[in-house]
Parts: sequence; C-alpha cells; structure tokens
Amino acid sequence: SQQGEEDPQALSIQEGENATMNCSYKTSINNLQWYRQNSGRGLVHLILIRSNEREKHSGRLRVTLDTSKKSSSLLITASRAADTASYFCATNSGGSNYKLTFGKGTLLTVNP
Amino acid sequence: DTAVSQTPKYLVTQMGNDKSIKCEQNLGHDTMYWYKQDSKKFLKIMFSYNNKELIINETVPNRFSPKSPDKAHLNLHINSLELGDSAVYFCASSTLQGEQYFGPGTRLTVT
Repeated sequence: SQQGEEDPQALSIQEGENATMNCSYKTSINNLQWYRQNSGRGLVHLILIRSNEREKHSGRLRVTLDTSKKSSSLLITASRAADTASYFCATNSGGSNYKLTFGKGTLLTVNP
Repeated sequence: DTAVSQTPKYLVTQMGNDKSIKCEQNLGHDTMYWYKQDSKKFLKIMFSYNNKELIINETVPNRFSPKSPDKAHLNLHINSLELGDSAVYFCASSTLQGEQYFGPGTRLTVT
C-alpha cells in the first residue's frame, strides 16, 4: 500500500528560485528518505532523516520532518536547470531497515 | 565504477515468453531489491534479499521468481509474460542504514 504522498504533483519554477516539496505519510516510521529520478534514469538517494531528527541539510537541500503531523518537506535552494527531475519521498517503517514505501513523486521543472 | 548495474536496458518481447533480467552490485551491500515502476511512475517493491535469503516477497504473481546466486547478484526471471508486466524494473541495493542505490532500470515492453 502507498505510504507517502507528495505534494504538489508538479512544480514549475525559474532558475534561482527555491523549490519546496511536501510529503505526508500514514503510519509511524523509522526514517524517511528523499530520492531524485531524472527522466529515463534510476533513482538517486538524496537524504535520509531519522524519526528522532527534525531537520537535516545536505548542500542546497534541506529536509524537515514533523512526526506529529506525519509530514516532511524537501527544500531545494537556488535551483538550477539540472535540478529538473522527479522527487520521491520514501518511508521505512515496521521495524525493518529493508522495506521502503514510495510516494508518487513531485515532478520539478526548473526553467532556465 | 562502483554501482548497481542491470541488463538488459531494454527488453521487448511477446506475450507468453519467458525472460530474465540480471542485476549486479559491487558496493559490498548485503541487501538487494527488485522494484517495478509503472507508467505513472509509481514505484513498488517486489522482492528483497539479504545475504542470499529472501526477506521481502510482496504480492507478486508467482510467474516472477527472483534468484540470488550470491549477495552481489539478484536476478529476476519472469514466466509467461503478460501485457500488464510492461514497466520499468529497477534493481537496488542498500546500506545497513537503509539508503538505497538503484540501477539504471530495465524497460520491459510486452507486445
């Protein structure tokens, strides 16, 4: 069953602007991860945030996690055309490090 | 190059045929996965192996049979292919922390 739901489904911005994508999930989690998928390619791991963490940074990426609201957000600052891709959140729950349940993704288009 | 690789990249075949997709990772990970991504980009886990042992087996028709000859390889064999099997199949492996590394995908088209 689907766990994460990204919002919005699609986002179009200009280069240099910030992009924010949200993810909501239904059950308690061990961790939440964000992945990027360029068209026709495999998914690339971006960042993992554990259930006891509230915020994490990696380069131009900032991820927040609110377990009380069962939601997470991914912020990409100073976007570039190369950031154009689909972004997926994935949750790990159920006491296992193995299974990830993916959302449907947000298609981000960064216009030059 | 350290990576997850899978072959073939494209697979076009007729209904009723049997086909295999191969996956190899040289990242030293113990756990490997097969995912199916449909035309709407929804990614769903099919199987997972940890050190050659099957640990996740989602509701997948038994026409799909994974095989892990060693922890660096996880192959997927599909019998009696159906139109609905058309999708992109991704292999992945994961670290102990659970971060997953994906292969480039195999686009399967069943005609």
